[in-house]
Amino acid sequence: AQSVTQPDIHITVSEGASLELRCNYSYGATPYLFWYVQSPGQGLQLLLKYFSGDTLVQGIKGFEAEFKRSQSSFNLRKPSVHWSDAAEYFCAVVTLTGGGNKLTFGTGTQLKVEL
Amino acid sequence: KAGVTQTPRYLIKTRGQQVTLSCSPISGHRSVSWYQQTPGQGLQFLFEYFSETQRNKGNFPGRFSGRQFSNSRSEMNVSTLELGDSALYLCASRSSTGRWTEAFFGQGTRLTVV
Repeated sequence: AQSVTQPDIHITVSEGASLELRCNYSYGATPYLFWYVQSPGQGLQLLLKYFSGDTLVQGIKGFEAEFKRSQSSFNLRKPSVHWSDAAEYFCAVVTLTGGGNKLTFGTGTQLKVEL
Repeated sequence: KAGVTQTPRYLIKTRGQQVTLSCSPISGHRSVSWYQQTPGQGLQFLFEYFSETQRNKGNFPGRFSGRQFSNSRSEMNVSTLELGDSALYLCASRSSTGRWTEAFFGQGTRLTVV
């Protein structure tokens, strides 16, 4: 079964520092991959997506992610973190089921930004 | 363009009661999915509707049901509520169910069962 692993439950970075959040997936074919961000008590906002093509994808809010098939990874990066980036981040993959598709999410990484 | 709208934002119910949550997708989107988010289980898929038909269902008991109307609005119903049903319920809309298109989520409905 397809799955997503986010190894880091919590990450703390200083404002202005660079950020990398890890995501590993398990999927046989070329996956459709996403990163979402969730602020407390809010829904999920799509940061970026990978369907095919260029393995480095740009998203909103200055985020980017790189798809590496050899490592089954889709890590999220930002060169300089802002205090407003503090939130929970979810990696997701489209999963095939018997009747259709769904999103399978990782367990999330909680990002804390120190001023 | 308006986003995905979920109502109500907050609900408090008593064990044994039933509850109905509503979701209005982005205009033109015909696929609506529901997800449950809890601290222990994370984000879990409940079901997906497209053109008033349930296309896909997650591993939840029959107490969880849904439907979709001709205007693509969807409702989710939970009967005989249990304490463990306390969660954030998120609705997502997509433009189609063919080739995958990105899912846009609403703000969620926070359900508390007491």
